[in-house]
Amino acid sequence: EIVLTQSPGTLSLSPGERATLSCRASQSVSSYLAWYQQKPGQAPRLLIYDASNRASGIPARFSGSGSGTDFTLTISSLEPEDFAVYYCQQRSDVLTFGGGTRVEVK
Amino acid sequence: QVQLQESGPGLVKPSETLSLSCTVSGGSINSYYWSWIRQPPGKGLEWIGHIYYSGNTNYNPSLKSRVTISVDTSKTQFSLKLSSVTAADTAVYYCAREGIRWSLDYWGQGTLVTVSS
Repeated sequence: EIVLTQSPGTLSLSPGERATLSCRASQSVSSYLAWYQQKPGQAPRLLIYDASNRASGIPARFSGSGSGTDFTLTISSLEPEDFAVYYCQQRSDVLTFGGGTRVEVK
Repeated sequence: QVQLQESGPGLVKPSETLSLSCTVSGGSINSYYWSWIRQPPGKGLEWIGHIYYSGNTNYNPSLKSRVTISVDTSKTQFSLKLSSVTAADTAVYYCAREGIRWSLDYWGQGTLVTVSS
């Protein structure tokens, strides 16, 4: 089973700042990596698929990069609605999720 | 717009079988994989397994001995059965579609299932 490790666990930032979230895989997942945003009481929402492609309706401030074992989700300028928990997910092997990164207001 | 809706009991007794259904509307159930994912209160996401519209299944190895996922294309529904539940199976259960490049592009709202006597 491929393990996804997300860092940091919590990111404390202010609106307007840049957020950089990391996801590292225990072995290569090629580009089969997705990112999700989850707000309290809601289902996760797909942000990025195939490592770097924005899902439909996702604002351009969200971008993804990486391949193989190291991936990054960047939010260029945090909006108030972006404070949430973010998960990465791979499907190269049995589908697994990372443990999540909480982006909180500083 | 594809919509998914989970349904089933919110309370299950220990050692019994948890049964949930997911109804798909606004789109075809054909040509996709359909997943079940769960999230214990305050914790992260765990994939349970998925089924192709033709009936092929794959399960999380950690749950495989207790999980059965089935599909009824005529009702545009797929279902989850999890046997011999314990308190550790208490979670919000989500159904979702595996879309482009195996990402989960549509999700149900989730349903909380509590295991308690």
